Amino acid sequence: KAGVTQTPRYLIKTRGQQVTLSCSPISGHRSVSWYQQTPGQGLQFLFEYFSETQRNKGNFPGRFSGRQFSNSRSEMNVSTLELGDSALYLCASSLEAQREMVGTDTQYFGPGTRLTVL
Amino acid sequence: LAKTTQPISMDSYEGQEVNITCSHNNIATNDYITWYQQFPSQGPRFIIQGYKTKVTNEVASLFIPADRKSSTLSLPRVSLSDTAVYYCLVGVLSGYSTLTFGKGTMLLVSP
Repeated sequence: KAGVTQTPRYLIKTRGQQVTLSCSPISGHRSVSWYQQTPGQGLQFLFEYFSETQRNKGNFPGRFSGRQFSNSRSEMNVSTLELGDSALYLCASSLEAQREMVGTDTQYFGPGTRLTVL
Repeated sequence: LAKTTQPISMDSYEGQEVNITCSHNNIATNDYITWYQQFPSQGPRFIIQGYKTKVTNEVASLFIPADRKSSTLSLPRVSLSDTAVYYCLVGVLSGYSTLTFGKGTMLLVSP
């Protein structure tokens, strides 16, 4: 069974631009979560989608948004990029649809998208 | 909001047992504790998850005391390939929350 895939793996943008990252979960998984990882802050939760609905959201500004499609694939968008948005963006999928919260389920992570903002 | 605290780094030698402790003073009744391992340029990999007492699988054990304000990941007989960052995650059951991993513990295993 294929793992979580993320595209692109690397991305370079300039301040003010916007970017869209894509995540394909493990087949059969319906929950997709997004995280931002930076050296200073570690792994921070962005949001989680389940059945095309945002179910949980972290403390990030509205410039960060996402969506999930009917096939469970998810995209994350960051508008008006800032230098501080440079990070590794990780996507994780999980199977158990009955869990209330991401943190109580086993998540399988993708390799991430390395975003550099110049 | 269950904030977690872990040591920044730990050193060990091959063949030793390593115990990494995570503090989570504000853990809620329905929270689970999950540990992940991360190698450079890779996404975190699930290691173990537990709610109370002790959980053991083929790679690690997780010890959780009765008050659940901390947990300890135990790695038996580590090898060089166990050099990685280990994260503690506590699930918060609420409608809107910030879910964050701990800062992570960098484990360095030497020959």
